[in-house]
Amino acid sequence: GQSLEQPSEVTAVEGAIVQINCTYQTSGFYGLSWYQQHDGGAPTFLSYNALDGLEETGRFSSFLSRSDSYGYLLLQELQMKDSASYFCAVHQGGKLIFGQGTELSVKP
Amino acid sequence: EAGVAQSPRYKIIEKRQSVAFWCNPISGHATLYWYQQILGQGPKLLIQFQNNGVVDDSQLPKDRFSAERLKGVDSTLKIQPAKLEDSAVYLCASSFVVAGGPGNEQFFGPGTRLTVL
Repeated sequence: GQSLEQPSEVTAVEGAIVQINCTYQTSGFYGLSWYQQHDGGAPTFLSYNALDGLEETGRFSSFLSRSDSYGYLLLQELQMKDSASYFCAVHQGGKLIFGQGTELSVKP
Repeated sequence: EAGVAQSPRYKIIEKRQSVAFWCNPISGHATLYWYQQILGQGPKLLIQFQNNGVVDDSQLPKDRFSAERLKGVDSTLKIQPAKLEDSAVYLCASSFVVAGGPGNEQFFGPGTRLTVL
């Protein structure tokens, strides 16, 4: 079967850096994506890692280690608008399997 | 470009009633997905279409759920009869390609929030 684990909640202050970890167990692994979902909104794509290493997109970076079945999302210079749920998702063949999500609360 | 459209946005029904959701994907996107998202959980894939063919429906409760994508564009998801545990947000997503590469970014619609009483 497959499973993904990520922390359920993270709290940080404005301007800080936060890292959200994701570990996974799956067969047929193609890559790891991260999605952001604001309360009542639709999930939106943030990043994708197919190979080991760090991908940077503005204030957000994502890392993957295939040998450790581990990845993380790094959010820098946190802003209040970053308060949302963040999901890691494994690409298995042509489909996505989502984790349970991490609720990030950014405090002033 | 227009995003993924879904309707209705909200629906309240009683258990054992029927309900249908509609999705119009982004123009040119061959792959369409229906997800169920229960409060506090991640989206769970119900069914995936490639054009008008089903690629994966392994997690679709086929005794009560059905979906179709006629002409490879719009799609409908139906629940008949509904149960209390079907209360969730039903998300439709589309993507340009199927393969697990950067082009497989999925674009989600706003979802339909279903409440079964």
